[in-house]
Amino acid sequence: SALTQPASVSGSPGQSITISCTGTSSDIGDYDFVSWYQHRPGKAPKLIIYAVSNRPSGVSNRFSGSKSGNTASLTISGLQADDEADYYCTSYRGLRVIFGGGTQVTVL
Amino acid sequence: EVQLVESGGGLVQPGRSLRLSCAASGFPFDDYALHWVRQAPGKGLEWVSGISWNSNTLDYSDSVKGRFTISRDNAKKSLYLEMNTLSAEDTALYYCAKEMGSNYLGWFDSWGQGTLVVVSS
Repeated sequence: SALTQPASVSGSPGQSITISCTGTSSDIGDYDFVSWYQHRPGKAPKLIIYAVSNRPSGVSNRFSGSKSGNTASLTISGLQADDEADYYCTSYRGLRVIFGGGTQVTVL
Repeated sequence: EVQLVESGGGLVQPGRSLRLSCAASGFPFDDYALHWVRQAPGKGLEWVSGISWNSNTLDYSDSVKGRFTISRDNAKKSLYLEMNTLSAEDTALYYCAKEMGSNYLGWFDSWGQGTLVVVSS
């Protein structure tokens, strides 16, 4: 089954928002392999966080990740209009990769 | 520059088969694990299958296991997905995605633009 994310999160420009991603002790709780993707309509998804809290080269430091127990979180600070997109978490689960249901981020 | 170009999608009748391909360039193909990820219309991303650099490790989501087969040809720098017994639930945009490393951990640092599969009579 998919990891659990809120369907939507919104915030005003400049604010910080946090998206949660809840799994189980068999995935998020057992591995530090959580990643996050930004997906804009009509575009390919973009990796923004891997290994829970690492940013690939070129990704803004406004994106940060963390994990506690079976729940991972993505925080976007200094929210910008360009951050409007769908965000997905993933976790490794024993030779498989599990996606979250996705969270639509709206900048008010 | 990493490039992943999917092909092989199209309209197919329920119960029939289809083979997707992903042509890669811009990186040492046989050093990296690869995956197929799909997105059904109006739905979220769903991991379909992954394969390690040497094809020794591979797996499938429950929704496709037994019907789909992933493979790769390192000499041709290509990834494949053989899809059998297709149903309407398999209608989706299928992405080829490159893993950050040789084993698959779910860290997809490059994606293709996708190939659309529509299963309908």
